[in-house]
Amino acid sequence: SAVISQKPSRDICQRGTSLTIQCQVDSQVTMMFWYRQQPGQSLTLIATANQGSEATYESGFVIDKFPISRPNLTFSTLTVSNMSPEDSSIYLCSATPGGQNTEAFFGQGTRLTVV
Amino acid sequence: AQSVTQLDSQVPVFEEAPVELRCNYSSSVSVYLFWYVQYPNQGLQLLLKYLSGSTLVKGINGFEAEFNKSQTSFHLRKPSVHISDTAEYFCAVTPSNTGGFKTIFGAGTRLFVKA
Repeated sequence: SAVISQKPSRDICQRGTSLTIQCQVDSQVTMMFWYRQQPGQSLTLIATANQGSEATYESGFVIDKFPISRPNLTFSTLTVSNMSPEDSSIYLCSATPGGQNTEAFFGQGTRLTVV
Repeated sequence: AQSVTQLDSQVPVFEEAPVELRCNYSSSVSVYLFWYVQYPNQGLQLLLKYLSGSTLVKGINGFEAEFNKSQTSFHLRKPSVHISDTAEYFCAVTPSNTGGFKTIFGAGTRLFVKA
């Protein structure tokens, strides 16, 4: 299994500013992902965080708005840039160990409110 | 492309009654199937998964699900629910051609257990 620590757990930010969310896994994992969960809705994949290279973004998400880093096999960051109230969501980090283990493990999420 | 449809957005049920949460998926490739639970203000926790083999899978907290390939369904069941089962439940698929890593979620079903 994999235990994921995500911080901050919540934040209230002013519009126009940026917030960086950190995700730490207690073991090396093959894949790391970032999801957004808007109020009362399901999870939408933002991007796959690739170790040592640029993240792979899903349709509707761009690097300038959501820059992602993954310097090693246990850590990733997501930055929400130039925030607006529409960015108010829960952001979730996910990791999959790989190999035969296809389970996706999740952090507790970061609840972001933009005012 | 893959999609997941959870047929009920909300399911109210009395304590100790049985419950079924329905999930249908669409995919042109073989998939792995998952059910996750999200308790209020928490991340996602895996309930159960189907990778191969027996189509009836048992998970944690007394839940089970049955994979029906011909109907492309993966319904979740519990014979007797408790108040503590009140949560959001997400059905998810991972296309096996991505190495089993990229997870796509349904919209979620809110299970509300009443005393």
